Amino acid sequence: DVKVTQSSRYLVKRTGEKVFLECVQDMDHENMFWYRQDPGLGLRLIYFSYDVKMKEKGDIPEGYSVSREKKERFSLILESASTNQTSMYLCASSGALEAFFGQGTRLTVV
Amino acid sequence: AQSVTQLDSQVPVFEEAPVELRCNYSSSVSVYLFWYVQYPNQGLQLLLKYLSGSTLVKGINGFEAEFNKSQTSFHLRKPSVHISDTAEYFCAVNSGYSTLTFGKGTMLLVSP
Repeated sequence: DVKVTQSSRYLVKRTGEKVFLECVQDMDHENMFWYRQDPGLGLRLIYFSYDVKMKEKGDIPEGYSVSREKKERFSLILESASTNQTSMYLCASSGALEAFFGQGTRLTVV
Repeated sequence: AQSVTQLDSQVPVFEEAPVELRCNYSSSVSVYLFWYVQYPNQGLQLLLKYLSGSTLVKGINGFEAEFNKSQTSFHLRKPSVHISDTAEYFCAVNSGYSTLTFGKGTMLLVSP
């Protein structure tokens, strides 16, 4: 079975902290994605990567960065967490067209 | 650019009734279309997909969708819903550039 694993289901962080969200896939997929999900706004693409060490900005990259040092791992970094980054974060991977999602990380910034 | 519009943010329905969740898309190139389902506090799970061929596609849990190119639509249907179908449903489009664009979601609320 296809598997995308996010390191935490729930996180609570303080304003100004540096936050790392980790995602690992076991399907040898080239493409990996980070989405943010908010009520009434659906899923919005933050960053994606189509190869190791490659990254592209999505629709809402401000306040975020990413790292992909190995093919199976894609990390989302909040350099200085703010309360407006409280959200559900979803990681996905894709070989071509269809994406497979992790369980999500619900991040609360206080 | 590609975009997806889900016309209904919420659809209430009684158990065993039929349901249709509407999705319209815009894209300047050929598209690949998907419906995903999200149960509470879960990630997204693929329900069905249209890549090519027959415009009527069947998915898991008795759902089906019809691709209509002239109306740029991909509506999701189920002839008889169950309480367990209560979830949020997302329509998504991929124009072949590896990124999915999602609609804002439709919450399906099934009551007894």
